[in-house]
Amino acid sequence: EDQVTQSPEALRLQEGESSSLNCSYTVSGLRGLFWYRQDPGKGPEFLFTLYSAGEEKEKERLKATLTKKESFLHITAPKPEDSATYLCAVRSMEYGNKLVFGAGTILRVKS
Amino acid sequence: KAGVTQTPRYLIKTRGQQVTLSCSPISGHRSVSWYQQTPGQGLQFLFEYFSETQRNKGNFPGRFSGRQFSNSRSEMNVSTLELGDSALYLCASRRRADTQYFGPGTRLTVL
Repeated sequence: EDQVTQSPEALRLQEGESSSLNCSYTVSGLRGLFWYRQDPGKGPEFLFTLYSAGEEKEKERLKATLTKKESFLHITAPKPEDSATYLCAVRSMEYGNKLVFGAGTILRVKS
Repeated sequence: KAGVTQTPRYLIKTRGQQVTLSCSPISGHRSVSWYQQTPGQGLQFLFEYFSETQRNKGNFPGRFSGRQFSNSRSEMNVSTLELGDSALYLCASRRRADTQYFGPGTRLTVL
């Protein structure tokens, strides 16, 4: 059973069309939920860490929120350079310090 | 501050050979984790080292091994390579319980 599920698998947006990516998790004892951005052929680039339900973090056009069961990455007025794969990962008491990743959401923003 | 560096960036090997990948963490980071990324399985945890000791291990066969040196640099070794070992191998470093920062990865192709 997947501990971290991301949806949708792929998302196509027009430039300026806001949307949200979802990350749901089922691990117990959450010790952090992480969002990364990954460009083709490169390593994941850190975006946000969230630790407790109700927490929100913002950076430029991105805003991450966390509830007890899921996290959302909101993208406001996206630009073509926001095109990438967005990865969600969790660290939990159940799995120690390792990160358990979702499969990712491939975002394409067309101008 | 310099990021995580990995060498080599690209590697081509044949089945049955062995390979060693290297990772230099961000200065001051004592924990190094290794992940394998493939299109089918996504990002999967291999192992984590802290102060030269393996702290956590993923579900990979014993052909996958690693070590960490006193300067926190880490190496991972894969023996008796199989076609299925072709992947992007990512190294990540962190300070204590903080966020993990990833390197650019080593692209391994097994022929």
